Amino acid sequence: EAGVAQSPRYKIIEKRQSVAFWCNPISGHATLYWYQQILGQGPKLLIQFQNNGVVDDSQLPKDRFSAERLKGVDSTLKIQPAKLEDSAVYLCASSLGWRVYGYTFGSGTRLTVV
Amino acid sequence: ILNVEQSPQSLHVQEGDSTNFTCSFPSSNFYALHWYRWETAKSPEALFVMTLNGDEKKKGRISATLNTKEGYSYLYIKGSQPEDSATYLCAFIGRGSTLGRLYFGRGTQLTVWP
Repeated sequence: EAGVAQSPRYKIIEKRQSVAFWCNPISGHATLYWYQQILGQGPKLLIQFQNNGVVDDSQLPKDRFSAERLKGVDSTLKIQPAKLEDSAVYLCASSLGWRVYGYTFGSGTRLTVV
Repeated sequence: ILNVEQSPQSLHVQEGDSTNFTCSFPSSNFYALHWYRWETAKSPEALFVMTLNGDEKKKGRISATLNTKEGYSYLYIKGSQPEDSATYLCAFIGRGSTLGRLYFGRGTQLTVWP
């Protein structure tokens, strides 16, 4: 089974620039999550989709972050404009049944804002 | 905000040593606990999904126990090998409106020296 695909792997941008990350979950996984992991902290949920609907975006800084899930498959996460404190690893995960199998994560995008 | 604590923050052991780490979480509203292993430059990988008080799970040389009444889980690695070097994350899932959302600890970074 193919894993969760994410791109790019690394991105360096200047503050106030825009950036977008892409995620392709495992086929058939209805639930998709974006997590942010700042160095030294545990991953924190930004947004959860069920098919193409948003289930939970309470932790998403909506003044600068946006996310969408097209046709219930791929998802993009955008930051506009970026701040220094957005430097982090952005992880995408999908799940067939987290009660039994847990989440399947992508390898993440490491963002550095300078 | 839910508090999930992991200790120690980092651990260095010799090949062949056995080791264990702790994850503590809120004992009220418990639904599930996940353990993940995250090797550098790879995706976090699900190790265990634990739901019942007294659960014990095993995968090769790695095992985990769960005490939901006192709010802790232990992860044990028997006879550590260099390939066990990784960050081990635990994540709590509570009942209610955030069902399915993982609340992560900061992780325990394990280094096994040959």
